[in-house]
Amino acid sequence: QVQLVQSGAEVKKPGASVKVSCKVSGYTLTELSMHWVRQAPGKGLEWMGGFDPEDGETIYAQKFQGRVTMTEDTSTDTAYMELSSLRSEDTAVYYCATASIPIAAAGNDAFDIWGQGTMVTVSS
Amino acid sequence: EIVLTQSPGTLSLSPGERATLSCRASQSVSSSYLAWYQQKPGQAPRLLIYGASSRATGIPDRFSGSGSGTDFTLTISRLEPEDFAVYYCQQYGSSPRQTFGQGTKVEIK
Repeated sequence: QVQLVQSGAEVKKPGASVKVSCKVSGYTLTELSMHWVRQAPGKGLEWMGGFDPEDGETIYAQKFQGRVTMTEDTSTDTAYMELSSLRSEDTAVYYCATASIPIAAAGNDAFDIWGQGTMVTVSS
Repeated sequence: EIVLTQSPGTLSLSPGERATLSCRASQSVSSSYLAWYQQKPGQAPRLLIYGASSRATGIPDRFSGSGSGTDFTLTISRLEPEDFAVYYCQQYGSSPRQTFGQGTKVEIK
């Protein structure tokens, strides 16, 4: 059973940074292309960035360029998303998400595996 | 960046009725790399359809997807009580870059 288990809720002050973790079980992290999606309260889904297996690099949405860093620790099969210079508009649930091997093998990058989400609250 | 526009914003229907949700892209979606998700309050999204028309594992056959190019449709043939939720389309044709639509809420009439 493939699972993504995320770290717990965070409360941060404006200007601070937050680092959210996403541990993979059932696969190894190297078999997957991990992405991060966020959802502000009452709002829609917003793609933040993800791993490009063709280039071996992580691509970020332009909106987050310079403020977000996505990394991986393959020794523990854990992915991380760090967002800096937090502001109140960054208050959201942050999800890690990926395509399972059967989905990805068909050339699709649709996310059939999601973490449970991590609530990040930015408040003074 | 490909912008996805979903319509309607809210769909008010009764159980047993047919639901038709639209997703229009600002430019053609490569290889019909279009997915649909269902999201219920407090839950992560669940993949329903990928590749515009392929059902994900375990998804009932009352859910179907169609379309190509810039116009895509999710159809729920007969609404069950558990189908009332918010639905999002996603394009991943420019993968790894991807975008989501703003969502359609299917509510009980």
